[in-house]
Amino acid sequence: EDQVTQSPEALRLQEGESSSLNCSYTVSGLRGLFWYRQDPGKGPEFLFTLYSAGEEKEKERLKATLTKKESFLHITAPKPEDSATYLCAVGENRDDKIIFGKGTRLHILP
Amino acid sequence: NAGVTQTPKFRVLKTGQSMTLLCAQDMNHEYMYWYRQDPGMGLRLIHYSVGEGTTAKGEVPDGYNVSRLKKQNFLLGLESAAPSQTSVYFCASGKQRGAFFGQGTRLTVV
Repeated sequence: EDQVTQSPEALRLQEGESSSLNCSYTVSGLRGLFWYRQDPGKGPEFLFTLYSAGEEKEKERLKATLTKKESFLHITAPKPEDSATYLCAVGENRDDKIIFGKGTRLHILP
Repeated sequence: NAGVTQTPKFRVLKTGQSMTLLCAQDMNHEYMYWYRQDPGMGLRLIHYSVGEGTTAKGEVPDGYNVSRLKKQNFLLGLESAAPSQTSVYFCASGKQRGAFFGQGTRLTVV
């Protein structure tokens, strides 16, 4: 059973069309939930860490939220340069692993 | 400030050959991780370390060994490479709040 499930697998939006990416997780005790952005041929770039339900963090057009079972990455009025794969990962209290979902490929059309 | 540096960036191996991938970080982080990334599979944790002299198995440890003799370095070894180990390998370092990635090593085993 996957600990981290991201949806949708791929998403195409028009420039300016806001949307949300979902990350659902199953862990016994959440140490942290992490969001990354990855461009083709590059390593993942750290975006946010969320620690507890109700927490929100923002960076430019991105806003991450967290509940007890899932996290959302909201993208407001996206631009073509926001096109990338967005990765979600979780860390559990019982060990020091960081486990990733398979990502959402986001493509913003001009 | 270089962050996380991986060496080499590209390598082609023959089946049965051995090699070592080097990861170096200059951020004084305790935690270091090795992942592999394959199409459709996302990032999968191979091994990780929570401090100098310590290592632990991740999700897919078979066929790999690691060592953390110095805090700033984390080595990933392949003793007898197999075609199934063709992948892009990423190293990351960090603390509880999240990990920062290198640019990856593209390994092909023929």
